[in-house]
Amino acid sequence: IAGITQAPTSQILAAGRRMTLRCTQDMRHNAMYWYRQDLGLGLRLIHYSNTAGTTGKGEVPDGYSVSRANTDDFPLTLASAVPSQTSVYFCASSQSGTEMSPLHFGNGTRLTVT
Amino acid sequence: DQQVKQNSPSLSVQEGRISILNCDYTNSMFDYFLWYKKYPAEGPTFLISISSIKDKNEDGRFTVFLNKSAKHLSLHIVPSQPGDSAVYFCAANVDRGSTLGRLYFGRGTQLTVWP
Repeated sequence: IAGITQAPTSQILAAGRRMTLRCTQDMRHNAMYWYRQDLGLGLRLIHYSNTAGTTGKGEVPDGYSVSRANTDDFPLTLASAVPSQTSVYFCASSQSGTEMSPLHFGNGTRLTVT
Repeated sequence: DQQVKQNSPSLSVQEGRISILNCDYTNSMFDYFLWYKKYPAEGPTFLISISSIKDKNEDGRFTVFLNKSAKHLSLHIVPSQPGDSAVYFCAANVDRGSTLGRLYFGRGTQLTVWP
């Protein structure tokens, strides 16, 4: 089934540790995104990539980095995790172009930083 | 500062009745609006959208209304079904073209449809 795969599903991480959340899509969408969802705050954009080789900052990029080496993969790295990064992380993709293409989301990674 | 606001965290409706979910926004540059539905332990799924050049868009049981002068949109579900029970997110887009996916989300409304 075509879609977005995120790994891991959940993770408990000690503060100060490095962590990479993985995201892979098989829909050949050119645009990909990372959002975080926090209780009472909705979803907020962390980073995005319009096409392979390019990335951009969203609303809440501090403490996170991304790379887009190819079309399918868009990993999100926390270089030194802090408790405020405890959240549910959603990867999404869309086929950008002249028509608005809705985002397709993965099932999320629940991260707890202790 | 929340640019997309869903002021009702929850809504409870009887099966068969109409569900009306509301959303307000502050940024007049928003030109595309979407509703997403989210079940527990799953990612949000796209439900319906509307462009700022329209005031209504309908898809089956779901209708979205846009009032630009009031910076308000609403999602109507008729008739409501128990399977509609989920969190509904309102979202808006300000950058068309190269950044179509840069959505601003509301905090969500938990809809519960009871038999």
